[in-house]
Amino acid sequence: DAKTTQPPSMDCAEGRAANLPCNHSTISGNEYVYWYRQIHSQGPQYIIHGLKNNETNEMASLIITEDRKSSTLILPHATLRDTAVYYCIAPGAGSYQLTFGKGTKLSVIP
Amino acid sequence: GAVVSQHPSWVICKSGTSVKIECRSLDFQATTMFWYRQFPKQSLMLMATSNEGSKATYEQGVEKDKFLINHASLTLSTLTVTSAHPEDSSFYICSVRGVAGGYNEQFFGPGTRLTVL
Repeated sequence: DAKTTQPPSMDCAEGRAANLPCNHSTISGNEYVYWYRQIHSQGPQYIIHGLKNNETNEMASLIITEDRKSSTLILPHATLRDTAVYYCIAPGAGSYQLTFGKGTKLSVIP
Repeated sequence: GAVVSQHPSWVICKSGTSVKIECRSLDFQATTMFWYRQFPKQSLMLMATSNEGSKATYEQGVEKDKFLINHASLTLSTLTVTSAHPEDSSFYICSVRGVAGGYNEQFFGPGTRLTVL
């Protein structure tokens, strides 16, 4: 797995975009980046993943830098229900085991 | 994504008893399931990987004789905590692996909170 580094916590005002960064400078060329989130006392929820192109789905957008050493998860209009711990994970190429780090605790503030 | 259920959602038991937790993939045939545990204020830790019809692969430090995993079908995996002790109190979460278009995604169950008195 590539090591990932995330800030331990972030605040975001309700209705504003939440931008969560992740550093994965040791990622290899064919390793994907996955994002999950865990709302308190629930199982993790898959959000999005990408390889090198930016991705968007109904939940979020994923921006990956050209050198692939970092990425940003964007929640375009954060709501109180988006308060959770967000995990950025880069399992090794060909691996399907997810190693969860400490993630970023996002607090959406009214 | 796949819908994953766990039963029970919470359980309280006495020290020394065994507890079985079920994980079901409701709309997806899961050849691979994973079991994690999460202690308070900590991240998820992978315990074991189970493939349908074969023995589970345990992570280092996880006792296979204490945490029995059975993956008898493509939709059901069970985790049995044998002779549970208070230090086994934790949040146990299963996940199923999905493969679509060459990607790997995991879909998680809601978790089971075990409290051992």
